[in-house]
Amino acid sequence: NAGVTQTPKFQVLKTGQSMTLQCAQDMNHNSMYWYRQDPGMGLRLIYYSASEGTTDKGEVPNGYNVSRLNKREFSLRLESAAPSQTSVYFCASSEDPRGAKFFGPGTRLTVL
Amino acid sequence: GENVEQHPSTLSVQEGDSAVIKCTYSDSASNYFPWYKQELGKGPQLIIDIRSNVGEKKDQRIAVTLNKTAKHFSLHITETQPEDSAVYFCAASTNAGGTSYGKLTFGQGTILTVHP
Repeated sequence: NAGVTQTPKFQVLKTGQSMTLQCAQDMNHNSMYWYRQDPGMGLRLIYYSASEGTTDKGEVPNGYNVSRLNKREFSLRLESAAPSQTSVYFCASSEDPRGAKFFGPGTRLTVL
Repeated sequence: GENVEQHPSTLSVQEGDSAVIKCTYSDSASNYFPWYKQELGKGPQLIIDIRSNVGEKKDQRIAVTLNKTAKHFSLHITETQPEDSAVYFCAASTNAGGTSYGKLTFGQGTILTVHP
């Protein structure tokens, strides 16, 4: 039982490049989330998926897209990376739709 | 939208002492209040949560209290140990409607250091 896994762990992009952050959970949870964490700002919700086939915007969705590929996987895509997207990104899941319970180890993204 | 304020931003205690972290929230409709512990280089870990129909909840050395009238909730850690050193986050959310599901609002975090 791996919990929530994320790939990659680290990534450096140039402004304008695109990439997809992958997330998978093996707990059969319905709800999945993407957060970003910036110094002094806590965690902010980017997108969430209450169940397979549904997605909804969070607090800071601009510049991102998501795909709930199936019940296990929830990916986050940056179409044209900007330096303001330099952050640590966390994927999370829960059986309860009120909020994330289990977090992945994070992806540290730097956009130059 | 919801706004969550967390204090203090840093807290230093001696091993064996108690630690208290406080959060206030703005949306009176909020009804779910989890606390997370984040160790260096790791993702947050849910350590305890409380729902608005409960005033206090305990789990071994940690407890959370909720005052709905004053719109604040607190994390209490007793008999602190060096391994309690981490960043602690409070959060609040409401399930008043479908669009509010999953939208936890986090506090800014408290760096707790427990000195041996």
